[in-house]
Amino acid sequence: EPEVTQTPSHQVTQMGQEVILRCVPISNHLYFYWYRQILGQKVEFLVSFYNNEISEKSEIFDDQFSVERPDGSNFTLKIRSTKLEDSAMYFCASGRDEVSTQHFGDGTRLSIL
Amino acid sequence: KNEVEQSPQNLTAQEGEFITINCSYSVGISALHWLQQHPGGGIVSLFMLSSGKKKHGRLIATINIQEKHSSLHITASHPRDSAVYICAVNGGATNKLIFGTGTLLAVQP
Repeated sequence: EPEVTQTPSHQVTQMGQEVILRCVPISNHLYFYWYRQILGQKVEFLVSFYNNEISEKSEIFDDQFSVERPDGSNFTLKIRSTKLEDSAMYFCASGRDEVSTQHFGDGTRLSIL
Repeated sequence: KNEVEQSPQNLTAQEGEFITINCSYSVGISALHWLQQHPGGGIVSLFMLSSGKKKHGRLIATINIQEKHSSLHITASHPRDSAVYICAVNGGATNKLIFGTGTLLAVQP
C-alpha cells in the first residue's frame, strides 16, 4: 500500500539554525499538509497546500516557516531560524481530494538545542 | 474551550473487554476522523465518517450529527490495541484537521 514517507526521522539542530523537513506524499494525492505535535500535547495544524500554493495556514505558521513542492514528488517544510519552542514531532499528510482520508507519515522528531 | 473533546483521557481494560471512546465537537463539520497513534509516534487513519456507522474488523465508529458526538468502539479488545486514539474533525469550510487530545488506551492481558 502506498505511504507517505518523511525524512529524517530525527533531526537535532542548534537554536537559530535553519532546518528543512522532507516529505514524499502519496503519488496521486493533490492535497498536502504539515502538522506538529509538541510532546504531551495534541496535534496542531500548521499549513495546507494545493495547486502549488498555500491554501490555509495557522497562527503558528509565521514568517519563519515556509513550504515548497520543488518537484513532482517532494513536499518540504523549512524553518528559517529555529527556536527552542519549535521542538516537536512534525507530521506530513496527504489526501486525494479536499475532504478525504489524510494519510500521515511517521513524523520527524525535531529537537532544538 | 477545545473544539474537539474526548473522553476518557486514559482507559485501562482487560483483554476481551468491549471498549468505548467518546468524542464531542462544537464546530460545524464536513467529516470526523478516528486515528490511532502508536508509541513510536506514527499516526494511522482508522475511519472517516460524516454520518451513520462504519465497521472495520473489531472497530466500529458511529456519529450523531445532531448531537455533535461520535464514538469509537473496540470489540474483544487485545493488548495490541494499546495506543492513543484520536478524534479529529474537518471544520465545515476547511480541509484542515482539528484534533482532540486523544485517549490513551492500555489493554492488559
